[in-house]
Amino acid sequence: EAGVTQFPSHSVIEKGQTVTLRCDPISGHDNLYWYRRVMGKEIKFLLHFVKESKQDESGMPNNRFLAERTGGTYSTLKVQPAELEDSGVYFCASSPLTGNGYTFGSGTRLTVV
Amino acid sequence: SQQGEEDPQALSIQEGENATMNCSYKTSINNLQWYRQNSGRGLVHLILIRSNEREKHSGRLRVTLDTSKKSSSLLITASRAADTASYFCATLDVDSSYKLIFGSGTRLLVRP
Repeated sequence: EAGVTQFPSHSVIEKGQTVTLRCDPISGHDNLYWYRRVMGKEIKFLLHFVKESKQDESGMPNNRFLAERTGGTYSTLKVQPAELEDSGVYFCASSPLTGNGYTFGSGTRLTVV
Repeated sequence: SQQGEEDPQALSIQEGENATMNCSYKTSINNLQWYRQNSGRGLVHLILIRSNEREKHSGRLRVTLDTSKKSSSLLITASRAADTASYFCATLDVDSSYKLIFGSGTRLLVRP
């Protein structure tokens, strides 16, 4: 079974540019989550999808961040325009609708210069 | 804040030695989890300990939980260079059944 896949693994962009991160959850996992770790600090929750619906986006830092999950499969997280403080590692995770068990992806390391 | 805190923030040991990392949290929990983040390998779930458990083993990992002190420890025995990573404890947000609250992490360096 394929795990949670994130693309790209690394991205270096200039301040003011736009970047789109992608996450492919485990097939059949209705729950999809985004987390990030910035500046070597703690890992923080960004948002949670159930299928294509945003259940909780309380962790989204500001309106420069837009997450979508059209069709309830893969998800994208767009940062527009990117700022220096957005640099960090963005993790995606998925889990089944019932039962426990997050599976995290390998993360996307975003560097804004 | 429910956030857990790990200590030490950084730990450097020689291969073969044991590494102990501690985590404190602030609210009541159902379980506590430990994760590892390797550079380029994402977050890997290591072990989960339930609130009614005091100790749990998995290979070279030993986790303890003291709910009276709201603390947990992760012991890695006979460390290897490949154990070099950041280690995080995580608990579920009390107001959510899905949101993980991570501690600040311990950076472990195992010198060959």
